[in-house]
Amino acid sequence: AQRVTQPEKLLSVFKGAPVELKCNYSYSGSPELFWYVQYSRQRLQLLLRHISRESIKGFTADLNKGETSFHLKKPFAQEEDSAMYYCALSYRFGNEKLTFGTGTRLTIIP
Amino acid sequence: DTGVTQSPTHLIKTRGQQVTLRCSPISGHKSVSWYQQVLGQGPQFIFQYYEKEERGRGNFPDRFSARQFPNYSSELNVNALLLGDSALYLCASSLEGSTEAFFGQGTRLTVV
Repeated sequence: AQRVTQPEKLLSVFKGAPVELKCNYSYSGSPELFWYVQYSRQRLQLLLRHISRESIKGFTADLNKGETSFHLKKPFAQEEDSAMYYCALSYRFGNEKLTFGTGTRLTIIP
Repeated sequence: DTGVTQSPTHLIKTRGQQVTLRCSPISGHKSVSWYQQVLGQGPQFIFQYYEKEERGRGNFPDRFSARQFPNYSSELNVNALLLGDSALYLCASSLEGSTEAFFGQGTRLTVV
Protein backbone atom coordinates (compact mmCIF):
# COMPACT_ATOMS: atom_id res chain seq x y z
CA ALA A 1 0.00 0.00 0.00
CA GLN A 2 1.13 3.50 -0.69
CA ARG A 3 2.10 5.82 2.12
CA VAL A 4 3.27 9.42 2.38
CA THR A 5 5.31 10.63 5.34
CA GLN A 6 5.87 14.23 6.30
CA PRO A 7 8.12 14.10 9.37
CA GLU A 8 7.63 17.71 10.48
CA LYS A 9 4.23 18.80 11.74
CA LEU A 10 5.49 22.32 12.38
CA LEU A 11 8.26 24.30 10.73
CA SER A 12 9.24 27.89 11.47
CA VAL A 13 11.63 29.77 9.21
CA PHE A 14 12.79 33.36 9.18
CA LYS A 15 11.83 35.54 6.25
CA GLY A 16 14.52 35.39 3.59
CA ALA A 17 15.89 32.06 4.82
CA PRO A 18 15.69 28.87 2.74
CA VAL A 19 12.77 26.52 3.22
CA GLU A 20 12.68 22.75 2.86
CA LEU A 21 9.60 20.69 3.63
CA LYS A 22 10.32 16.99 3.66
CA CYS A 23 8.22 14.29 2.06
CA ASN A 24 8.97 10.60 1.72
CA TYR A 25 6.76 8.04 0.10
CA SER A 26 6.42 4.32 -0.24
CA TYR A 27 4.92 2.87 -3.37
CA SER A 28 5.94 -0.04 -5.51
CA GLY A 29 4.96 1.41 -8.87
CA SER A 30 5.59 4.73 -10.58
CA PRO A 31 3.66 7.31 -8.63
CA GLU A 32 2.76 10.84 -9.42
CA LEU A 33 3.73 13.23 -6.60
CA PHE A 34 2.13 16.52 -5.68
CA TRP A 35 2.36 19.32 -3.18
CA TYR A 36 -0.93 20.85 -2.10
CA VAL A 37 -1.17 24.01 -0.02
CA GLN A 38 -3.87 25.47 2.16
CA TYR A 39 -3.59 29.14 3.06
CA SER A 40 -5.57 30.49 5.99
CA ARG A 41 -9.32 30.39 5.30
CA GLN A 42 -8.79 29.12 1.76
CA ARG A 43 -9.41 25.79 0.13
CA LEU A 44 -6.83 23.15 -0.49
CA GLN A 45 -5.13 23.85 -3.80
CA LEU A 46 -2.45 22.31 -5.96
CA LEU A 47 0.94 23.97 -5.63
CA LEU A 48 2.97 21.82 -7.97
CA ARG A 49 3.32 18.33 -9.42
CA HIS A 50 6.49 16.48 -10.24
CA ILE A 51 5.70 15.76 -13.87
CA SER A 52 5.42 19.48 -14.60
CA ARG A 53 8.95 20.20 -13.40
CA GLU A 54 7.96 23.79 -12.85
CA SER A 55 8.56 26.42 -10.20
CA ILE A 56 5.45 27.87 -8.60
CA LYS A 57 5.72 30.89 -6.30
CA GLY A 58 9.44 30.19 -6.11
CA PHE A 59 8.92 26.61 -4.89
CA THR A 60 10.45 23.58 -6.57
CA ALA A 61 10.36 19.89 -5.80
CA ASP A 62 12.41 17.11 -7.30
CA LEU A 63 11.34 13.50 -7.30
CA ASN A 64 14.17 11.30 -6.05
CA LYS A 65 13.17 7.73 -6.79
CA GLY A 66 16.27 6.31 -5.13
CA GLU A 67 15.48 7.97 -1.82
CA THR A 68 11.70 7.89 -2.45
CA SER A 69 11.52 11.56 -1.57
CA PHE A 70 9.80 14.63 -2.96
CA HIS A 71 11.01 17.49 -0.80
CA LEU A 72 9.64 20.99 -1.37
CA LYS A 73 12.19 23.81 -1.48
CA LYS A 74 12.32 27.56 -1.76
CA PRO A 75 15.55 29.55 -1.53
CA PHE A 76 14.11 32.65 0.15
CA ALA A 77 11.00 32.40 2.32
CA GLN A 78 8.35 35.10 2.18
CA GLU A 79 5.70 35.88 4.78
CA GLU A 80 2.91 34.88 2.39
CA ASP A 81 4.34 31.35 2.31
CA SER A 82 2.90 30.69 5.77
CA ALA A 83 0.37 27.91 5.23
CA MET A 84 -0.34 24.22 5.64
CA TYR A 85 1.48 22.06 3.10
CA TYR A 86 0.49 18.53 2.15
CA CYS A 87 2.50 16.10 0.10
CA ALA A 88 0.35 13.67 -1.88
CA LEU A 89 0.78 10.65 -4.10
CA SER A 90 -1.34 9.20 -6.83
CA TYR A 91 -1.08 6.34 -9.22
CA ARG A 92 -2.40 7.04 -12.65
CA PHE A 93 -4.64 5.17 -15.01
CA GLY A 94 -8.09 4.36 -13.78
CA ASN A 95 -8.09 5.50 -10.17
CA GLU A 96 -6.79 8.92 -9.47
CA LYS A 97 -7.16 8.80 -5.72
CA LEU A 98 -4.71 10.86 -3.72
CA THR A 99 -2.89 9.60 -0.67
CA PHE A 100 -1.92 12.52 1.55
CA GLY A 101 0.67 12.98 4.23
CA THR A 102 -0.27 14.47 7.58
CA GLY A 103 0.89 17.92 6.54
CA THR A 104 3.45 20.49 7.69
CA ARG A 105 2.42 23.85 9.03
CA LEU A 106 4.96 26.37 7.79
CA THR A 107 5.28 29.66 9.65
CA ILE A 108 7.46 32.41 8.28
CA ILE A 109 8.84 34.65 11.00
CA PRO A 110 9.11 38.31 9.91
CA ASP B 1 -17.50 31.28 -7.91
CA THR B 2 -16.87 28.67 -10.57
CA GLY B 3 -14.99 26.31 -8.28
CA VAL B 4 -16.19 23.17 -6.55
CA THR B 5 -19.09 23.96 -4.26
CA GLN B 6 -20.16 21.96 -1.24
CA SER B 7 -23.20 22.20 0.97
CA PRO B 8 -23.84 22.65 3.77
CA THR B 9 -20.72 24.32 5.13
CA HIS B 10 -21.37 23.22 8.69
CA LEU B 11 -23.55 20.52 10.18
CA ILE B 12 -24.23 19.18 13.66
CA LYS B 13 -25.77 15.73 14.03
CA THR B 14 -26.49 13.34 16.86
CA ARG B 15 -25.00 9.87 17.14
CA GLY B 16 -27.02 7.34 15.19
CA GLN B 17 -28.43 9.86 12.75
CA GLN B 18 -27.85 9.93 9.01
CA VAL B 19 -26.32 12.75 7.00
CA THR B 20 -26.13 13.71 3.32
CA LEU B 21 -23.44 16.00 2.00
CA ARG B 22 -23.56 17.55 -1.46
CA CYS B 23 -20.98 18.55 -4.02
CA SER B 24 -21.12 20.33 -7.36
CA PRO B 25 -18.00 19.91 -9.48
CA ILE B 26 -16.39 22.43 -11.75
CA SER B 27 -18.19 22.63 -15.07
CA GLY B 28 -16.76 20.05 -17.44
CA HIS B 29 -15.32 17.86 -14.70
CA LYS B 30 -16.82 14.40 -14.75
CA SER B 31 -14.83 12.90 -11.88
CA VAL B 32 -15.73 13.57 -8.25
CA SER B 33 -13.86 12.31 -5.21
CA TRP B 34 -14.65 12.50 -1.51
CA TYR B 35 -12.14 12.81 1.31
CA GLN B 36 -12.42 12.83 5.08
CA GLN B 37 -10.04 15.07 7.02
CA VAL B 38 -9.88 14.51 10.74
CA LEU B 39 -8.28 17.27 12.80
CA GLY B 40 -4.50 17.07 12.62
CA GLN B 41 -4.45 14.63 9.71
CA GLY B 42 -4.27 14.84 5.97
CA PRO B 43 -7.32 14.14 3.83
CA GLN B 44 -8.17 10.46 3.52
CA PHE B 45 -9.76 9.08 0.37
CA ILE B 46 -13.33 7.79 0.68
CA PHE B 47 -14.76 7.45 -2.86
CA GLN B 48 -14.20 8.38 -6.45
CA TYR B 49 -16.98 8.52 -9.02
CA TYR B 50 -16.70 8.96 -12.74
CA GLU B 51 -19.64 9.07 -15.12
CA LYS B 52 -21.93 7.90 -12.29
CA GLU B 53 -19.85 4.79 -11.70
CA GLU B 54 -17.81 4.11 -8.57
CA ARG B 55 -14.19 4.01 -9.62
CA GLY B 56 -12.52 3.65 -6.28
CA ARG B 57 -13.29 3.19 -2.61
CA GLY B 58 -11.11 3.81 0.41
CA ASN B 59 -10.97 1.91 3.66
CA PHE B 60 -14.30 3.09 5.09
CA PRO B 61 -17.20 1.04 6.48
CA ASP B 62 -20.38 0.35 4.55
CA ARG B 63 -22.09 3.12 6.53
CA PHE B 64 -20.48 5.42 3.97
CA SER B 65 -22.03 5.54 0.52
CA ALA B 66 -22.09 7.94 -2.37
CA ARG B 67 -23.58 8.49 -5.75
CA GLN B 68 -23.12 10.72 -8.74
CA PHE B 69 -25.90 12.24 -10.78
CA PRO B 70 -26.22 12.82 -14.55
CA ASN B 71 -25.12 16.43 -14.08
CA TYR B 72 -21.96 15.06 -12.33
CA SER B 73 -22.90 16.45 -8.94
CA SER B 74 -22.48 14.02 -6.08
CA GLU B 75 -23.81 13.14 -2.66
CA LEU B 76 -22.03 11.46 0.22
CA ASN B 77 -24.23 9.65 2.73
CA VAL B 78 -23.18 8.47 6.14
CA ASN B 79 -25.53 6.31 8.19
CA ALA B 80 -25.54 5.51 11.91
CA LEU B 81 -23.20 8.37 12.71
CA LEU B 82 -20.47 7.86 15.28
CA LEU B 83 -18.56 10.47 17.24
CA GLY B 84 -15.50 9.51 15.20
CA ASP B 85 -17.19 10.62 12.00
CA SER B 86 -16.71 14.21 13.10
CA ALA B 87 -14.43 15.68 10.46
CA LEU B 88 -14.10 18.00 7.52
CA TYR B 89 -15.45 16.30 4.40
CA LEU B 90 -13.86 17.47 1.20
CA CYS B 91 -15.07 17.03 -2.32
CA ALA B 92 -12.72 17.30 -5.28
CA SER B 93 -13.37 17.27 -8.99
CA SER B 94 -11.04 16.58 -11.86
CA LEU B 95 -10.96 16.13 -15.60
CA GLU B 96 -10.98 12.66 -17.10
CA GLY B 97 -7.58 11.05 -16.80
CA SER B 98 -6.17 13.93 -14.78
CA THR B 99 -4.74 13.51 -11.32
CA GLU B 100 -5.01 17.23 -10.58
CA ALA B 101 -7.82 17.60 -8.10
CA PHE B 102 -9.72 20.82 -7.42
CA PHE B 103 -11.11 20.93 -3.91
CA GLY B 104 -14.18 22.49 -2.41
CA GLN B 105 -14.23 24.37 0.87
CA GLY B 106 -15.52 21.33 2.66
CA THR B 107 -18.39 20.48 5.00
CA ARG B 108 -17.56 20.51 8.69
CA LEU B 109 -19.55 17.68 10.31
CA THR B 110 -19.79 17.52 14.08
CA VAL B 111 -21.39 14.47 15.69
CA VAL B 112 -22.50 14.93 19.28
